[in-house]
Amino acid sequence: AQTVTQSQPEMSVQEAETVTLSCTYDTSESDYYLFWYKQPPSRQMILVIRQEAYKQQNATENRFSVNFQKAAKSFSLKISDSQLGDAAMYFCAYRKSGTASKLTFGTGTRLQVTL
Amino acid sequence: DGGITQSPKYLFRKEGQNVTLSCEQNLNHDAMYWYRQDPGQGLRLIYYSQIVNDFQKGDIAEGYSVSREKKESFPLTVTSAQKNPTAFYLCASSIGVLQGGYTFGSGTRLTVV
Repeated sequence: AQTVTQSQPEMSVQEAETVTLSCTYDTSESDYYLFWYKQPPSRQMILVIRQEAYKQQNATENRFSVNFQKAAKSFSLKISDSQLGDAAMYFCAYRKSGTASKLTFGTGTRLQVTL
Repeated sequence: DGGITQSPKYLFRKEGQNVTLSCEQNLNHDAMYWYRQDPGQGLRLIYYSQIVNDFQKGDIAEGYSVSREKKESFPLTVTSAQKNPTAFYLCASSIGVLQGGYTFGSGTRLTVV
């Protein structure tokens, strides 16, 4: 079974600084998707960024970028120029492609942004 | 605006009572999902449905039931058989199960006393 591990329960970053959230996953599949979701205090889940495993290029979305290391099964999220609004729970998620499959989530990392 | 509506936002029930959580979407998405969120455990899949009148069990289906009579609606019933029903429940949808990310509702906080 696929598993997703987020080993940092909490992280803190100063405003305008850069922070990296870690995620590792376990799968025997070669084709899959990886995601980072943000859950602010409102508890609404918001898709931050998505990576297709067949793409070697790391995905970027404005201040958010990933470091996808397929061989190491690692998928970290880098947030640049951190803002107060970035404070939230961040969940890493995995889904295999090519068949009906579920989205499997990690346990989350709570990010605090300080002044 | 298109989206997913979950109601109610907060729900209280007495132990032993069944309760149904509502999930409606107007995104014309084929697939819908129910997740349960507990502190420190992330999101766990309860049930999902790819098309109308079809659904599959997720990782923690025991004590729950669903129906998918309409494309727009995917209600979740928490039965008295669910041992620890107090949790935050999230509904989601996607264009198809083969597609990428999901769109989530705003959730229902269920408290059983």
